[in-house]
Amino acid sequence: ETGVTQTPRHLVMGMTNKKSLKCEQHLGHNAMYWYKQSAKKPLELMFVYSLEERVENNSVPSRFSPECPNSSHLFLHLHTLQPEDSALYLCASSQDWDRGITDTQYFGPGTRLTVL
Amino acid sequence: DQQVKQNSPSLSVQEGRISILNCDYTNSMFDYFLWYKKYPAEGPTFLISISSIKDKNEDGRFTVFLNKSAKHLSLHIVPSQPGDSAVYFCAASAVGTGTASKLTFGTGTRLQVTL
Repeated sequence: ETGVTQTPRHLVMGMTNKKSLKCEQHLGHNAMYWYKQSAKKPLELMFVYSLEERVENNSVPSRFSPECPNSSHLFLHLHTLQPEDSALYLCASSQDWDRGITDTQYFGPGTRLTVL
Repeated sequence: DQQVKQNSPSLSVQEGRISILNCDYTNSMFDYFLWYKKYPAEGPTFLISISSIKDKNEDGRFTVFLNKSAKHLSLHIVPSQPGDSAVYFCAASAVGTGTASKLTFGTGTRLQVTL
């Protein structure tokens, strides 16, 4: 496998369910991101992990819980979601340089989440 | 308040002609700009980028122009091909916003290249 992979690709869940989204990057990067894309809205950054530490939490509700066990894997744990949380959830990775130099982010294919 | 704006939600261009996609930004701290292309059911794919120290960057059929005084950038595709039909996102970031790059995205422009 190359690049950034995400599983599952599609997920339908009820509001009382607990599920997890998984992301894996095979690019040797040290930073990973979760984004949310809702219809007709820009991609919204949710969480950023750099060197396995969370460096950004963009005012995301606590029903979304990220986990980064190592630099290649990123999870998004979901519980008691609302129908308005239905969206495409995208994972990305990049190489993070200490001097704050920006580098290109590479995206996975996304998980299409539907909350009933 | 949207800091990166793509005011044209869609664009239709004939095959072989030039496609010009536009993007405006409001944050003067942005100094690195990227274009991503997205096909249905896939994640965004990096296309081309430009640093604020340049005003033009070219890669094959794709050229990005940056006008810092107008806070405007554009993506030119010449010649346009049917395979270019996709949604194009403009993104921007500022050095020093943290230890990892924070991208701010526009809402996207859907390009349709017709035969």
